This record gives sequence, structure tokens and C-alpha cells, in this order.
Amino acid sequence: DTEVTQTPKHLVMGMTNKKSLKCEQHMGHRAMYWYKQKAKKPPELMFVYSYEKLSINESVPSRFSPECPNSSLLNLHLHALQPEDSALYLCASSQGQGANEQFFGPGTRLTVL
Amino acid sequence: QKEVEQDPGPLSVPEGAIVSLNCTYSNSAFQYFMWYRQYSRKGPELLMYTYSSGNKEDGRFTAQVDKSSKYISLFIRDSQPSDSATYLCAMPMKTSYDKVIFGPGTSLSVIP
Repeated sequence: DTEVTQTPKHLVMGMTNKKSLKCEQHMGHRAMYWYKQKAKKPPELMFVYSYEKLSINESVPSRFSPECPNSSLLNLHLHALQPEDSALYLCASSQGQGANEQFFGPGTRLTVL
Repeated sequence: QKEVEQDPGPLSVPEGAIVSLNCTYSNSAFQYFMWYRQYSRKGPELLMYTYSSGNKEDGRFTAQVDKSSKYISLFIRDSQPSDSATYLCAMPMKTSYDKVIFGPGTSLSVIP
């Protein structure tokens, strides 16, 4: 299995809702990432988990809460989002040792009303 | 000056043309270079990964790195309409390879 899967594909939520995004990989990768991508812009790094521990938080607002239950799973919990948080949320994984390729999932398109 | 720059395009070429996509970077510490292809509303797909200066070929794609000029290129031979996408160059930070700096991307259209 050489892919990263993400659910749901699309999500519409109100500003008072709580929702979660899910990411899964079965490549034995030890690093997993959350990115945010706005239209016509490159991906922006949000969080990195390395060996199931949070290693990088790019000063992301606390309304985004990541969780790594095990080495194959990565969640992003969303609460009290703003309309400007609407974007494509991408998960990626890599071997996590040295400089190596990151493999991306298809993304979750989030709309905050 | 941005760390990684790309001409945003859009670049429009006829089917069968050779396409040249380019990135320049300012940080000489970058050692590894990646090219991603991203179709509209999809996740980026890794095309090429290279370390050394020189050329690396994979099918119709050739990645070229010139570290002395801080310049990388991706060439697409015999371009197809299915190559129409945004192409992103990317470079891991030497201080933390998990942090990848992406170029802004070049939008390519291959016209049948």
C-alpha cells in the first residue's frame, strides 16, 4: 500500500461546530504532516509528528488540534473555526529519517460558514 | 527576496512540446530538491527527487540541478494534455528536513 488516505473528502461546518479530519498511511512511515493550502498558493506546513510525537507546530491557532493515536493515523480536530480557515487540508507522510520524500494524500476540502 | 521563486505562469504549450519549468533559490544550504505535480483540487504528487547537481531522468521527465547557480529545472518531453497541472518545486530545510519550502508553483496548460 503506497498511498495516504484522507477522510472526509469534503466538509462544511459552522463556526460553532466541532469536527475532525482523519489521515491514514500504511507505508511504515514515521513522520506525518498537516498542511493547509489556499487556492493558487503552495501548501503551508501546520504540524509535524515524528515517531508519534509532535515535533513542529508552526504557530497554528489553538482552534486546530492535532493528534497522532499511532504511527499510521493522524487526526486534526477543528473547533470554533473562522471562514478564513476554509482551505484544502493536506496530510503527508515520509520515512522520517533524514531528507526524504513526502507523500501527500488527496486532501479534505473544508468550508467554514 | 523569497527563499524559493518560480514563474507562476500560466504557461500554455501545444501538445508534443518540450516544457521547461524553473525554480531559483537563495539559500545555498538546500541540498535536496523535489518536484511535485498538483492537479486542480487534488493533493500534490511527487514526480522527482534529486540531490546531486546534474540531470536525473524518469520517463518523459528530467530534473536538472545547478547548485552553483541555485537553479533547478524540470523538463517534460512530448507534453500531453494530461500534464496540465500546477508544478511545485520543493526543498527541505537543512536545519529540519521535515520543514519543506515550496515554490509558489507554475500553472501549465498543454493544448491538444
